[in-house]
Amino acid sequence: DAKTTQPTSMDCAEGRAANLPCNHSTISGNEYVYWYRQIHSQGPQYIIHGLKNNETNEMASLIITEDRKSSTLILPHATLRDTAVYYCIALTLPGSARQLTFGSGTQLTVLP
Amino acid sequence: AAGVIQSPRHLIKEKRETATLKCYPIPRHDTVYWYQQGPGQDPQFLISFYEKMQSDKGSIPDRFSAQQFSDYHSELNMSSLELGDSALYFCASSTRTGGSSGANVLTFGAGSRLTVL
Repeated sequence: DAKTTQPTSMDCAEGRAANLPCNHSTISGNEYVYWYRQIHSQGPQYIIHGLKNNETNEMASLIITEDRKSSTLILPHATLRDTAVYYCIALTLPGSARQLTFGSGTQLTVLP
Repeated sequence: AAGVIQSPRHLIKEKRETATLKCYPIPRHDTVYWYQQGPGQDPQFLISFYEKMQSDKGSIPDRFSAQQFSDYHSELNMSSLELGDSALYFCASSTRTGGSSGANVLTFGAGSRLTVL
């Protein structure tokens, strides 16, 4: 699976959009980009995933560059409850059950 | 909606004792994963089961074992506990129903916090 690189930490003002970048320059054509987050001491939570098209759900939007070497997770109106560590993970479709490997994510702090 | 249920939520053990953690996946999920998260660390994959068979193995110590039962619940058994085993243990489940990309959508439980004294 491709290595991903994220900033260690970011701050965002409450009510503003939080834009979390992720670099995955060695991603292969069959690797999806998944985003999870972990609020302190809680179980990680799935947010969104995509292959090459931009995706949006009730939680966030995922923007993937045309060359697929980077992506941005957008939380459109950040709240204090969005303070968490955000993980970007590149993963192929499983031929069998596959585990997630959590690397160093981004600590997002939403400020009042 | 039903979630992943883990028990116990908190467990305190002495060194060299044995502990067992239980996980009840979301109904109709066919894959169960176990993760360990030490203080200030990222979750580390331990082991997974697909349709009751061991699927993948990560950094699970030899003192640990796990299995998935016929009702799909899973148990993580930890023996000869060491201080370093103190951690949050998460169970997660997933299914390939709805497309194989969905198999990478894991639902995690709230975790079991093990403290070894």
